[in-house]
Amino acid sequence: EIVMTQSPATLSVSPGERATLSCRASQSLSSNLAWYQQKPGQAPRLLIYGASTRATGIPARFSGSGSGTEFTLTISSLQSADFAVYYCQHYHNWPTFGQGTKLEIK
Amino acid sequence: EVQLLESGGGLVQPGRSLRLSCAASGFTFGDYAMHWVRQAPGKGLEWVSGITWNSDSIGYADSVKGRFTISRDNAKNSLNLQMNSLRAEDTALYYCAKSARVCYRCMDVWGQGTTVTVSS
Repeated sequence: EIVMTQSPATLSVSPGERATLSCRASQSLSSNLAWYQQKPGQAPRLLIYGASTRATGIPARFSGSGSGTEFTLTISSLQSADFAVYYCQHYHNWPTFGQGTKLEIK
Repeated sequence: EVQLLESGGGLVQPGRSLRLSCAASGFTFGDYAMHWVRQAPGKGLEWVSGITWNSDSIGYADSVKGRFTISRDNAKNSLNLQMNSLRAEDTALYYCAKSARVCYRCMDVWGQGTTVTVSS
């Protein structure tokens, strides 16, 4: 089973600033990596697939990068709606999720 | 509108069984792989099981392998999860999720979930 490790567990950032979230895989995924956003009481929402392609309707301030075992989700100019928990998920084979990064207001 | 509606959750004793269902609408169900993902109270997401559009490939998390069985009925636009030998650690909100067209093991539409509580 591929293990996904996200860092940091909690990230405190001020509105308008940039947030950088990391995800590491225990083995190479090529670009088979997705990112999700989950707000309290809501189902997750797909943000990024293929490591860097935004899903339909996702704002351009969300960007993904990386390949192999190291991946990054960057949110430029944070808005209040962006404070949530973010999960990475590999789909190199049957998927697993990272443990999540909570993005909180500083 | 694409919708997924889970049902079948509830309170069940350890060792007993429960069957979850997911009713799909608003898309051609038989064209997509489907998944179950769960979230224990206050915890992160855990992929539970997935099934391809024609049921020719099925996968399970190690934590449920041998106890849970996923199935689908494309004629009825429904996805099911038979859960046997339930344990306290199976307590969670169970989401049904539709695969994305571009990656069948990632999920672009989610239901609101059904709660399973395993307790004596």
